[in-house]
Amino acid sequence: NAGVMQNPRHLVRRRGQEARLRCSPMKGHSHVYWYRQLPEEGLKFMVYLQKENIIDESGMPKERFSAEFPKEGPSILRIQQVVRGDSAAYFCASSPSLAGGQQYFGPGTRLTVT
Amino acid sequence: GQQLNQSPQSMFIQEGEDVSMNCTSSSIFNTWLWYKQDPGEGPVLLIALYKAGELTSNGRLTAQFGITRKDSFLNISASIPSDVGIYFCAGLYYGGSQGNLIFGKGTKLSVKP
Repeated sequence: NAGVMQNPRHLVRRRGQEARLRCSPMKGHSHVYWYRQLPEEGLKFMVYLQKENIIDESGMPKERFSAEFPKEGPSILRIQQVVRGDSAAYFCASSPSLAGGQQYFGPGTRLTVT
Repeated sequence: GQQLNQSPQSMFIQEGEDVSMNCTSSSIFNTWLWYKQDPGEGPVLLIALYKAGELTSNGRLTAQFGITRKDSFLNISASIPSDVGIYFCAGLYYGGSQGNLIFGKGTKLSVKP
């Protein structure tokens, strides 16, 4: 049973470009979460989605950031007009249900903005 | 906002020694999780705690959920070199319909062979 998949593992973008990060949850999991991690820090929640719905985006910046989890295909975290401060590791997690609480993480995408 | 405070921030121990780390919060959490993160990888779930006072083991790892639901500790017995990594506690709070995890800043463990 494959775990949470994320791609790309590393992404380099110049300031002003767009970054698209993809996440495929574990089989049977319908809840997806995105987190951001800065060096020497813990993970910070960004957004929680179920299929075709954003449930909680309270941790996501209001501008330039968006997320989706379509009926078919992976969840996408999109960052428009990237700035140097967006450089971080972005992790996706999935869970089979909300009540269980156990979230399983992917390997992350390391975004570097030059 | 909700915060989790982990201590110590880092530990240097000898192989074979036991390790203890803890996590405290000013907020009550419904579920407490312990994760380990290796460099360049995502966090891996070690132990999940659901009930106040619950004590759970996973091999050489033991974790307990505090009675007040505001703290937890993680013990590792007879440490080995592959225990090296960063250990994170995370609290799950069911505020409204949300289930996002609140993470501590981690305890970095180094093991000398």
